[in-house]
Amino acid sequence: EAGVTQSPTHLIKTRGQQATLRCSPISGHTSVYWYQQALGLGLQFLLWYDEGEERNRGNFPPRFSGRQFPNYSSELNVNALELEDSALYLCASSLVLAGAAQETQYFGPGTRLLVL
Amino acid sequence: GDSVTQMEGPVTLSEEAFLTINCTYTATGYPSLFWYVQYPGEGLQLLLKATKADDKGSNKGFEATYRKETTSFHLEKGSVQVSDSAVYFCALSDLLPTDSWGKFQFGAGTQVVVTP
Repeated sequence: EAGVTQSPTHLIKTRGQQATLRCSPISGHTSVYWYQQALGLGLQFLLWYDEGEERNRGNFPPRFSGRQFPNYSSELNVNALELEDSALYLCASSLVLAGAAQETQYFGPGTRLLVL
Repeated sequence: GDSVTQMEGPVTLSEEAFLTINCTYTATGYPSLFWYVQYPGEGLQLLLKATKADDKGSNKGFEATYRKETTSFHLEKGSVQVSDSAVYFCALSDLLPTDSWGKFQFGAGTQVVVTP
């Protein structure tokens, strides 16, 4: 069974541009989570999508946004890129049963974004 | 809110040494607890988990016991190998609808370096 996949693996942008990152969850998983892992820092929760809706959001500015498609894949968009947005962006997926988040999240390999 | 605290690294060990990484948590609900491992250049992999008090998670020689009385979930391995060199993250997931619902709380990560 295929795991969580992310594309692209690496992305180079300049300050002020927009970046789009993509994630495909494990087959059967309806929830997708996005995390930012900046160098030397831990994982910071960005967004949680389930059944096409945003369910929870971390402490990030509105220029970080995303969406989830009917096939449960997801996009993360970062507008007006800043140098400090350079990081590894990780996507995870999980099941949601009876409206409650299933506990185990399975992670993709990440997209490394570099903002110059 | 929920939080996870784990010991700072790096932790440097010789091969076949005993490894302990301390992890303590605070939670308002009934969390599940996890250890994830991140090898260089990769995403996070689930190492083990425990869903209720006194449960012991184990995998690949690693063990951790969910101790509600001390709010801890320390990771141990009796004899480490060079291939265990990685960053280890302790995390919790609260299944109750709180402001942390649907997102993991990760510790800052502990880098482990095992030398031959």
